[in-house]
Amino acid sequence: NAGVMQNPRHLVRRRGQEARLRCSPMKGHSHVYWYRQLPEEGLKFMVYLQKENIIDESGMPKERFSAEFPKEGPSILRIQQVVRGDSAAYFCASSPAGGRGGAFFGQGTRLTVV
Amino acid sequence: QKEVEQNSGPLSVPEGAIASLNCTYSDRGSQSFFWYRQYSGKSPELIMSIYSNGDKEDGRFTAQLNKASQYVSLLIRDSQPSDSATYLCAVTNNAGNMLTFGGGTRLMVKP
Repeated sequence: NAGVMQNPRHLVRRRGQEARLRCSPMKGHSHVYWYRQLPEEGLKFMVYLQKENIIDESGMPKERFSAEFPKEGPSILRIQQVVRGDSAAYFCASSPAGGRGGAFFGQGTRLTVV
Repeated sequence: QKEVEQNSGPLSVPEGAIASLNCTYSDRGSQSFFWYRQYSGKSPELIMSIYSNGDKEDGRFTAQLNKASQYVSLLIRDSQPSDSATYLCAVTNNAGNMLTFGGGTRLMVKP
C-alpha cells in the first residue's frame, strides 16, 4: 500500500551539476504536481502533469528546469546547472483524474547545492 | 493560476481555545475544497475535504464552505500544542481537474 514515493530523500549537488528528482504517484493516480518550498516559506507551485502531457507549467522557471511524466515510470523533475538558490525542498503530490479527493504528498526531496 | 488567499499569520491561540483559519478563492466555479496540515520539516497532510455549502465535522475539526462568498474556513476546537503547524487551503478549478494551494496560515497553540 505504497503512497507517493519520492527519491532521493536528500540530494547534494555541486554548482553546475544536474539534479534529477523522481516521483512515483499512488496507485491509480494519473496526475502529478511538483512544488518547491524554501525554508520558512510556503509551497510554490511549479508544474502539473498527467502521463505524457504537461497541463500547467506556469510556475516553472523558464530556464534550467524541466519536468516529464512518461507513460511508464516515475515523473522526473530535472534541474540543470544547479545554483545555490535551487537549494530547497521539492515536493511531489499525486491525484486521480478530476482531482476529487484531493492530492497526496510524498515525503519530499531536500536538495542542497554546495 | 487562480488565486487562493490565506492570511500567513502567525495565528496564536491559547491551549483549549478555538482556532479559526480562513481562506478565500477567486474561481467561482471551484468544486472541491481541502485543508492540509504541514508540520515544520514535513510534507503536507490532507486532513479535511468539503464539497458542498455548510459545515463538515470530523472530531475537533470543522470545515465550513460558503460558495456564494467564495470562502472556506477550518475551525479547530480545544486547540492543542500539537496542532501547531501551517494549514494550507486547496481548491480545485472550475473543470475540477487541478488543485491550487493558498500560501498557508501558521498556527501556534500556546500551553
